[in-house]
Amino acid sequence: GQQVMQIPQYQHVQEGEDFTTYCNSSTTLSNIQWYKQRPGGHPVFLIQLVKSGEVKKQKRLTFQFGEAKKNSSLHITATQTTDVGTYFCAGGGSYIPTFGRGTSLIVHP
Amino acid sequence: DGGITQSPKYLFRKEGQNVTLSCEQNLNHDAMYWYRQDPGQGLRLIYYSQIVNDFQKGDIAEGYSVSREKKESFPLTVTSAQKNPTAFYLCASSIGRPSNTEAFFGQGTRLTVV
Repeated sequence: GQQVMQIPQYQHVQEGEDFTTYCNSSTTLSNIQWYKQRPGGHPVFLIQLVKSGEVKKQKRLTFQFGEAKKNSSLHITATQTTDVGTYFCAGGGSYIPTFGRGTSLIVHP
Repeated sequence: DGGITQSPKYLFRKEGQNVTLSCEQNLNHDAMYWYRQDPGQGLRLIYYSQIVNDFQKGDIAEGYSVSREKKESFPLTVTSAQKNPTAFYLCASSIGRPSNTEAFFGQGTRLTVV
């Protein structure tokens, strides 16, 4: 079945440094979503990418969908302590979102 | 307000007991899902349902059961057959189309077996 791999599992950064998490699928995805889960909270939808090579920005966050629609990345510029949490990608191929294991971001002030 | 509600937030269960976790949504979504989250494991799919009166096993369905008698409700029962039930359980819903699988999550239920 569809597998979505996400790296790294953890990332420690100093406040102000950049951060990137990567998501790779074994199959072509019809779309990909990104979610953020704050410590003790539940996943919250951030964005969905649908088109090959698509790039979307939300303030300091940049999301990319690969040309082959098998990989995606989330980049945060100049991290802040409010960025702390676990970031999940979820691939769509059927109507069931398949989640990666997530990347936990720890920001040191 | 539209949303998805899980209850209770915290639940303690004695070994050998069944327990039911509630999940209700008023988003008029067709699809509903149950995930289990353990530290470092991400979200693992337990059961899912695309329409009323129909549901399918996910990747880790053993020891769990569900029902979907109403569109709004998708309760999960953790049975005594589940060997390691202590975990964070998340319910989610979506429109249920492959073109848009954006999932809306409840607050979660943290189950502890004592």
